[in-house]
Amino acid sequence: DVKVTQSSRYLVKRTGEKVFLECVQDMDHENMFWYRQDPGLGLRLIYFSYDVKMKEKGDIPEGYSVSREKKERFSLILESASTNQTSMYLCASSLGTSGYEQYFGPGTRLTVT
Amino acid sequence: GQNIDQPTEMTATEGAIVQINCTYQTSGFNGLFWYQQHAGEAPTFLSYNVLDGLEEKGRFSSFLSRSKGYSYLLLKELQMKDSASYLCAVNSGNTPLVFGKGTRLSVIA
Repeated sequence: DVKVTQSSRYLVKRTGEKVFLECVQDMDHENMFWYRQDPGLGLRLIYFSYDVKMKEKGDIPEGYSVSREKKERFSLILESASTNQTSMYLCASSLGTSGYEQYFGPGTRLTVT
Repeated sequence: GQNIDQPTEMTATEGAIVQINCTYQTSGFNGLFWYQQHAGEAPTFLSYNVLDGLEEKGRFSSFLSRSKGYSYLLLKELQMKDSASYLCAVNSGNTPLVFGKGTRLSVIA
């Protein structure tokens, strides 16, 4: 079974703090993704990566950065957290790009106060 | 760009059949996925269609018409545990999946 794990289920941070969200997958998947999910807006892609050291901007990359130093790990970084980044963050991985399902982690509910 | 539309909410009765529609506009279509997401949980894969027609998997079936840019998810013999959001997602070329906003299904007794 594919397993995608995220470092925290719930996180509370203060405005201006640097926040790291970690995601690890154990199935040697090439592709990894970071989404945020907000009521009424659905899943929105922040960043994705098709290979180690590689990253691509998604639809809403502003205020975020990512790091992929190892194939199994994809980190999302909020350089200076703001209240509008309060959201559910979901990491996903897939074996390939076209025709391959994405496997999701359990999500991190981040609250920025 | 891509555009995916699905109803925001639906309600159905336990034991009944419900059909959740999804329409999409995209170039370089490469398949359509349906995911189920219970409240507070991660989405889980339900089905994948790349060719026209119906794919059946137990109580769940998914249909695709590429010429019409249309898919539906059919849930039979509804159970209370089917109350969840259902997400339609489209694969286009070599770009990541694009998700619709989801349909929240409530199953009532």
